[in-house]
Amino acid sequence: GAVVSQHPSWVICKSGTSVKIECRSLDFQATTMFWYRQFPKQSLMLMATSNEGSKATYEQGVEKDKFLINHASLTLSTLTVTSAHPEDSSFYICSAPSLAGGNTGELFFGEGSRLTVL
Amino acid sequence: AQTVTQSQPEMSVQEAETVTLSCTYDTSENNYYLFWYKQPPSRQMILVIRQEAYKQQNATENRFSVNFQKAAKSFSLKISDSQLGDTAMYFCAFMKPSTASKLTFGTGTRLQVTL
Repeated sequence: GAVVSQHPSWVICKSGTSVKIECRSLDFQATTMFWYRQFPKQSLMLMATSNEGSKATYEQGVEKDKFLINHASLTLSTLTVTSAHPEDSSFYICSAPSLAGGNTGELFFGEGSRLTVL
Repeated sequence: AQTVTQSQPEMSVQEAETVTLSCTYDTSENNYYLFWYKQPPSRQMILVIRQEAYKQQNATENRFSVNFQKAAKSFSLKISDSQLGDTAMYFCAFMKPSTASKLTFGTGTRLQVTL
């Protein structure tokens, strides 16, 4: 199956700094990618839909100035957590739709990135 | 808005036994997709099985099968001949065809397969 890779897997940063997480589709092109946030022992919460060449679509309640998303190419989407605070500590996961075409709902997921803000 | 409920936070099953994970959902849609995704410890989430709501036949993938009850809005996952590698978080998910692969996930069930 298709491969989606995230980097970094782990990141620890000081409060007030910004952190960038990359999501790459390694063997296919993804015009759309999804960014999720997962709290411990909880479900995945969709944060935003990243669209290649255009602005991301954010879910209700997600601060777009806090979580900057850029989808500059067909294989790379980035999530930047700006001025991070301890409450931003979480597991962030990206995904891209299946190559099968159509709206099948099959997603390929990245490995996830665990952010800890001190 | 759609909601997906998984009422079993944790379950345990012995190797080679069968286990059923529950999922219910709420929607006013008639056509939709349902999924079970597996998230192994420290590994990527992967698709286990998918069901289209317009299909009456329950989906099966090797040892994995579903019991889809559309009227009851129930979508349970049965794992037969459980293996140690089945240990993972299992998420039930819902999707409307019009939403470009945007999924609504349940809260997950942590399955532990024991010797």
